[in-house]
Amino acid sequence: GAVVSQHPSWVICKSGTSVKIECRSLDFQATTMFWYRQFPKQSLMLMATSNEGSKATYEQGVEKDKFLINHASLTLSTLTVTSAHPEDSSFYICSARGVPGTAIEKLFFGSGTQLSVL
Amino acid sequence: SQQGEEDPQALSIQEGENATMNCSYKTSINNLQWYRQNSGRGLVHLILIRSNEREKHSGRLRVTLDTSKKSSSLLITASRAADTASYFCATDAAGSNYKLTFGKGTLLTVNP
Repeated sequence: GAVVSQHPSWVICKSGTSVKIECRSLDFQATTMFWYRQFPKQSLMLMATSNEGSKATYEQGVEKDKFLINHASLTLSTLTVTSAHPEDSSFYICSARGVPGTAIEKLFFGSGTQLSVL
Repeated sequence: SQQGEEDPQALSIQEGENATMNCSYKTSINNLQWYRQNSGRGLVHLILIRSNEREKHSGRLRVTLDTSKKSSSLLITASRAADTASYFCATDAAGSNYKLTFGKGTLLTVNP
């Protein structure tokens, strides 16, 4: 089956630094990728939708300058948490959708990244 | 407003018993999906049921969908300790283009 690789799986950083999280579709082309955030014991909240070659669409309340998303190729999207603060500590999960009209036109999820900001 | 509200929020049962979790949503959907998540891990897709389907089975899982009530249920039969996890429903709203909205989840604990 289709695989989405997300890394790092966990990262600890100092307050004020930036952290980049990668989401790769390993064996299929992903025209659309989604980034979610999850606080402990809570649900996943959609942060943004990333389409290859275009600007990401952010959900209401999500700061686009804070959470930079780049989807430069059909197999890679990155989320950069800029000037991270302790309140940004969370579990971030990406998902990727295959090319519409293909057999893999469904969502596949990465394994998530636990970010801890000290 | 939050799509996909599950209940109960937490469920504790003994191994061998059945576990039923419910999910309600608010808008029209293309499909509804159930996912499983072990603590601190990614999501595992369990089952997808389309809006024109009423029931679906996969192994020990049985999902029902009632679009008139905007609700779904997930039944896990003959539960095992390894089924202990959080379970989320997620709705793919009509016209959302795969933008899933997740419910709050049910934490299932299966005691050996």
